[in-house]
Amino acid sequence: ILNVEQSPQSLHVQEGDSTNFTCSFPSSNFYALHWYRWETAKSPEALFVMTLNGDEKKKGRISATLNTKEGYSYLYIKGSQPEDSATYLCAFRPGGYNKLIFGAGTRLAVHP
Amino acid sequence: DAGVIQSPRHEVTEMGQEVTLRCKPISGHDYLFWYRQTMMRGLELLIYFNNNVPIDDSGMPEDRFSAKMPNASFSTLKIQPSEPRDSAVYFCASSLHGGGAYNEQFFGPGTRLTVL
Repeated sequence: ILNVEQSPQSLHVQEGDSTNFTCSFPSSNFYALHWYRWETAKSPEALFVMTLNGDEKKKGRISATLNTKEGYSYLYIKGSQPEDSATYLCAFRPGGYNKLIFGAGTRLAVHP
Repeated sequence: DAGVIQSPRHEVTEMGQEVTLRCKPISGHDYLFWYRQTMMRGLELLIYFNNNVPIDDSGMPEDRFSAKMPNASFSTLKIQPSEPRDSAVYFCASSLHGGGAYNEQFFGPGTRLTVL
């Protein structure tokens, strides 16, 4: 069974705070790691797809890093805004399969 | 493109009834995925298709669930007979060229199913 763990489960921050959360995944048979942003009552939307150890991706105030040898990825949000409130999902894609195994997500609430 | 289209958006039915969920993937995408989202188990993959052929149905809970993809632009997920524990949001997603690592999945709006 392939386990993808995310922590924390939920997070409440004030507007302007920077925050980060973690995704842990199997370090063997790694192919790709996806991050999705999921707003309430909407569909998950892809943020990043990462494949190389040491990879860093950035989109505006959101960035992510990847360590495939130890099996973790961090997602960072700089200067959180209320519109960043969402559930952030990571998903592990093992080699040989075109399927994603999702973590349970980190639910972020940014308070004005 | 309109994105992935799912219907109905909401379905309320009684235990024992047949339920059919529908999905139209993004035109040109060759992979289609059915997911179920519950509070207890999060987002779970039920089944996925490549070029209309089911590739992995290991996530399908039991024989009451079946999925078909008769052509590249349409797929159904059927539950017969439905049970209250099937209540969940069912998402369909599609992606392009599954062999590449950068094949992000595009999700539909989901169907919220309630079985009474």
